[in-house]
Amino acid sequence: AQSVTQLDSQVPVFEEAPVELRCNYSSSVSVYLFWYVQYPNQGLQLLLKYLSGSTLVKGINGFEAEFNKSQTSFHLRKPSVHISDTAEYFCAVSGATNKLIFGTGTLLAVQP
Amino acid sequence: DARVTQTPRHKVTEMGQEVTMRCQPILGHNTVFWYRQTMMQGLELLAYFRNRAPLDDSGMPKDRFSAEMPDATLATLKIQPSEPRDSAVYFCASGPSGANVLTFGAGSRLTVL
Repeated sequence: AQSVTQLDSQVPVFEEAPVELRCNYSSSVSVYLFWYVQYPNQGLQLLLKYLSGSTLVKGINGFEAEFNKSQTSFHLRKPSVHISDTAEYFCAVSGATNKLIFGTGTLLAVQP
Repeated sequence: DARVTQTPRHKVTEMGQEVTMRCQPILGHNTVFWYRQTMMQGLELLAYFRNRAPLDDSGMPKDRFSAEMPDATLATLKIQPSEPRDSAVYFCASGPSGANVLTFGAGSRLTVL
């Protein structure tokens, strides 16, 4: 069975500081990994995805993530955050069936 | 931009009433998913379809929930009878087969009193 762990429920950070949101997964087969963002009272929006190829993937809004198979991690990073990045971020894993299994989410709280 | 459309956006009902939520997937997408989001449980997969056929509904309480795709442009999630613990935001998502990328609707916020 596949699962995702997001250890940090909330990450406070000051504007223009760098941030890393952690995600670890477990799976017995090849995986596809995703980060979705959810702004208040909205649906989920795809931020970036890893399907194959380069382990460093770039997404929208200046975010990037690195797939690390040996550490079973897919951490999300941004070198300089903005107030508008305040949102809930979900890491997710899927296999051949498109079925997305989500982590519990990390609230990124950007402070001025 | 193509989008997944969900109705209603908000629904308040009383315990025991029937609730039907609808989803129009993106044209050409042949996989459809229903998720439920609550503070306590996070995002839970309830059911999903491929080419209108249900593939997995193991996450759905069978006694009161049902999910169907009457045609390729409509997916429904029905709760009968509804209970206060069903209060949540229900998301529909669709994707093209094999692409492993889902597009989510804005959600239906259900409150059962």
